[in-house]
Amino acid sequence: AQKVTQAQTEISVVEKEDVTLDCVYETRDTTYYLFWYKQPPSGELVFLIRRNSFDEQNEISGRYSWNFQKSTSSFNFTITASQVVDSAVYFCALSEADSWGKLQFGAGTQVVVTP
Amino acid sequence: NAGVMQNPRHLVRRRGQEARLRCSPMKGHSHVYWYRQLPEEGLKFMVYLQKENIIDESGMPKERFSAEFPKEGPSILRIQQVVRGDSAAYFCASSPQGVTEAFFGQGTRLTVV
Repeated sequence: AQKVTQAQTEISVVEKEDVTLDCVYETRDTTYYLFWYKQPPSGELVFLIRRNSFDEQNEISGRYSWNFQKSTSSFNFTITASQVVDSAVYFCALSEADSWGKLQFGAGTQVVVTP
Repeated sequence: NAGVMQNPRHLVRRRGQEARLRCSPMKGHSHVYWYRQLPEEGLKFMVYLQKENIIDESGMPKERFSAEFPKEGPSILRIQQVVRGDSAAYFCASSPQGVTEAFFGQGTRLTVV
């Protein structure tokens, strides 16, 4: 069963628009971690954020912000005032208590930002 | 402190050949994870190794694939008798013991022709 669902396959925006990427996860563990990674066209994986299940405080880092809601099992990611350099595939991932480094990835959302 | 190093970055093999992918974890990291990313898909867990031990290989195909992480040297993911469907990006990640975050290498892109 898919444990991390990213329902949006592709999102296209014009530069300076905001874009929100949805991530819904499924786990029976009470202790778990959620991640977001960026994969630009060059192919590497860029770590963006890690959030543990006990910390529901929203986080902002520059133009990036994350909204973690345990009640809906969601960990959404917003890019404010998007730029062309934000064009990439973004992956949400879950790590559960029985094997911390084993990440279960969603299928990814392709973000295309046009000038 | 160098990051996770994978080599080669690109590898081309003909059908039936063997592919060997190497992963040198970050210094002090004793846990290694391999993931596969098929074209247009997300990453899928393959195997989790500690030094000289396979901890979880639940994501490894049953045939032709093997992995090791010897006491000395890099972790090796080995694919025997490659087929076109093995064409993918293979990522390695490493972590210290007891740490939740794994650090990823830049991946090896395998193309089978």
